[in-house]
Amino acid sequence: EAGVVQSPRYKIIEKKQPVAFWCNPISGHNTLYWYLQNLGQGPELLIRYENEEAVDDSQLPKDRFSAERLKGVDSTLKIQPAELGDSAVYLCASSLSSSGGAGVNEQFFGPGTRLTVL
Amino acid sequence: GQNIDQPTEMTATEGAIVQINCTYQTSGFNGLFWYQQHAGEAPTFLSYNVLDGLEEKGRFSSFLSRSKGYSYLLLKELQMKDSASYLCAVMDSNYQLIWGAGTKLIIKP
Repeated sequence: EAGVVQSPRYKIIEKKQPVAFWCNPISGHNTLYWYLQNLGQGPELLIRYENEEAVDDSQLPKDRFSAERLKGVDSTLKIQPAELGDSAVYLCASSLSSSGGAGVNEQFFGPGTRLTVL
Repeated sequence: GQNIDQPTEMTATEGAIVQINCTYQTSGFNGLFWYQQHAGEAPTFLSYNVLDGLEEKGRFSSFLSRSKGYSYLLLKELQMKDSASYLCAVMDSNYQLIWGAGTKLIIKP
């Protein structure tokens, strides 16, 4: 079974440029998460989807960040324009659901996209 | 506010035992997770506790005390490949996962 797929793995851009990240979750997983992780820190949730609905986007900086999961499968996270402080690893994760026991709550992570903003 | 505390870094010797502690204060509780993250890689699931007590899985065990807001991850027979960061995360009443900053474990020969 394929895991969570993310692309690109690395991205270097200049500030004020746009950037987009793509994620394909594990087949059958209804819940999709986008996280930001800085070095030496835990993941910080940006947005959580249940199927195609964004159920938690309270931490998403909506002035520059946007996300979509139109068909409830793969998802795109966009930053426009990027700022120097956006340099981080962007992780996508998926789970069967977001409520219930470990069997459905367990989040599987993709390899992440390392973004460097110059 | 919601808070997860765990030591920043720990050092242990190959073959030994190490205990990584985690204390939490969250709005509600729907389980506690431990994840392992090697440098430059994504987190991978280690364990889940929702009831008090010890869960054992091979060389790794995880303990939970809900009344104390406390958990620990116990790693036995340490191997060099166990060098990684260990992340404690608590699922709150909204089923949102609150993450600690992680404990970097350094294994020395």
